[in-house]
Amino acid sequence: SQQGEEDPQALSIQEGENATMNCSYKTSINNLQWYRQNSGRGLVHLILIRSNEREKHSGRLRVTLDTSKKSSSLLITASRAADTASYFCATDRDQGGSEKLVFGKGTKLTVNP
Amino acid sequence: SAVISQKPSRDICQRGTSLTIQCQVDSQVTMMFWYRQQPGQSLTLIATANQGSEATYESGFVIDKFPISRPNLTFSTLTVSNMSPEDSSIYLCSVEWPSGSSYNEQFFGPGTRLTVL
Repeated sequence: SQQGEEDPQALSIQEGENATMNCSYKTSINNLQWYRQNSGRGLVHLILIRSNEREKHSGRLRVTLDTSKKSSSLLITASRAADTASYFCATDRDQGGSEKLVFGKGTKLTVNP
Repeated sequence: SAVISQKPSRDICQRGTSLTIQCQVDSQVTMMFWYRQQPGQSLTLIATANQGSEATYESGFVIDKFPISRPNLTFSTLTVSNMSPEDSSIYLCSVEWPSGSSYNEQFFGPGTRLTVL
């Protein structure tokens, strides 16, 4: 079954607003990663947060992780039209060093100029 | 991060033919992965390719349909065999970077968009 589930499935905002996307998962994890995919292209790695971390920042990105709720959020502040893309979370199961990533269904973000 | 390239970037193929996709990394890596992304869907892992050993396939994927080569630490190929329209997808390779890291941070190539008529 799908490990990660993002919500919302689609999000439309105005430039300058903040965008928040959420990811829930089902089993224990080693870490959680967020990726961005521009229309039909490869995935760009945004940020990795380890299971023992609660918050991480990278530029306009802020990621939180709540392992008790098995959920993570990605916040993009002061959004730009160039942030328009699909965003995926991916989890690495805590199974003795398993390298397999399981991806959520993604959130399609549209930032209107 | 590692720089990953894929060839071809896109192709349109006829039913029943095969296509080999190449993945090249600018650094030596132990773990390489192949994913499929069907239209409008998320990514699904096809197989894990380690140099010097047979690829490990996920449930629902078989070697006869998706043979993989991993001749060295910087290169891998995925072949989509006997294609049907259902194989129309984006195929992506990824690598674990840094190689051998316990954090399994994976970086992806630009993808190959395959359309089967």
